[in-house]
Amino acid sequence: QVQLQQWGAGLLKPSETLSLTCAVYGGSFSGYSWSWIRQPPGKGLEWIGEISQSGSISYNPSLKSRVTISVDTSKNQFYLRVNSVTAADTAVYYCAAGGNYWGQGTLVTVSS
Amino acid sequence: QSALTQPRSVSGSPGQSVIISCTGTSSDVGGYNYVSWFQHHPGKAPKLMIYDVSERPSGVPDRFSGSKSGNTASLTISGLQTEDEADYYCCSFAGSFWLFGGGTKLTVL
Repeated sequence: QVQLQQWGAGLLKPSETLSLTCAVYGGSFSGYSWSWIRQPPGKGLEWIGEISQSGSISYNPSLKSRVTISVDTSKNQFYLRVNSVTAADTAVYYCAAGGNYWGQGTLVTVSS
Repeated sequence: QSALTQPRSVSGSPGQSVIISCTGTSSDVGGYNYVSWFQHHPGKAPKLMIYDVSERPSGVPDRFSGSKSGNTASLTISGLQTEDEADYYCCSFAGSFWLFGGGTKLTVL
């Protein structure tokens, strides 16, 4: 049974960098795609990007210029960085494995 | 890119059936058989209910079914139960990225 645990800073100022880590327990990196999804307050889900089973990385075109997703297979972890955050990046951020398994979610608030 | 179009809300009584639609374009829903549906209870992580248009993950009741016609995918929930009350999101592959619908709030009256 795959379990995901995520963590990162919950309060950021505008222009700072959002950094989140998602640790994978009980699964192999080769078995799933690894995604980041977010939900702004009162709004719907938004796909941010993913690392596919083959290792290729794809991003939401609307966020691509500010987002980096990376992986460290030796630690069974993958990461999200979003540069130059604004209030519009305030959201609950989720990591997910193949859509089947999800992290607990991290509320990230951007406020001056 | 715009979000896929879903009705903002649907409702039904226990035991009834409801259908939630998800309309996209030939570049996403219509172009690939990669449509998923997620159930989301507020404060919890989303749960995968349907993938690849009509496949059910292990453990998902067969009351949940998915289909697609042209650029519109549908989630049918039969035999509604009170615990089905939640937000539902469709998600489609769009060539090089994935696109979510705006979400539908299901109320079980």
